[in-house]
Amino acid sequence: QQPVQSPQAVILREGEDAVINCSSSKALYSVHWYRQKHGEAPVFLMILLKGGEQKGHEKISASFNEKKQQSSLYLTASQLSYSGTYFCGTETGNTGKLIFGQGTTLQVKP
Amino acid sequence: GAVVSQHPSRVICKSGTSVKIECRSLDFQATTMFWYRQFPKKSLMLMATSNEGSKATYEQGVEKDKFLINHASLTLSTLTVTSAHPEDSSFYICSARDRGFGELFFGEGSRLTVL
Repeated sequence: QQPVQSPQAVILREGEDAVINCSSSKALYSVHWYRQKHGEAPVFLMILLKGGEQKGHEKISASFNEKKQQSSLYLTASQLSYSGTYFCGTETGNTGKLIFGQGTTLQVKP
Repeated sequence: GAVVSQHPSRVICKSGTSVKIECRSLDFQATTMFWYRQFPKKSLMLMATSNEGSKATYEQGVEKDKFLINHASLTLSTLTVTSAHPEDSSFYICSARDRGFGELFFGEGSRLTVL
């Protein structure tokens, strides 16, 4: 039931790109992406609803393939501030009940 | 934007005592709130769905007598960890949704340490 994220960890240099994937075995209503810094609460990045949309937020964008129940988060020209653990949270209906993936740790080095 | 606030942010208690954590939606009404716990370097695990005016719905494996949830008003849900033990030490986070759809807003989290 828990979505599977890949990779588990990524190390980048500033300016490099990264892709984080989230895959579910269940039909999804929405996918939410969050970034969490150590000791802090998760920070919302974006939500994608079923319909195969793609969203962008400056240099961070995401896609949702409804047929494959997969979502990908794209980080371009990474900055030091992008470091943290990224979680996808999935909803199987409009319930507000998110099931989170195991997380992907991203480290951006100078 | 919508804000969810938790209190306390940190609490240390002795084994055997009970601890109450509050989750408030500050500028919207939330008929449903969600409680998560997170162990170090692990994911957020959904514990229960808190429903205003009715009983909470607990996820499989979560002890309802251990983690008491009360959602007495449209802006407040409380989680009480009863007879806390060191293994209950964790980061507890609540979330709520404004208008019944869209973004879920998370509280700042409450770090519980049981000695």
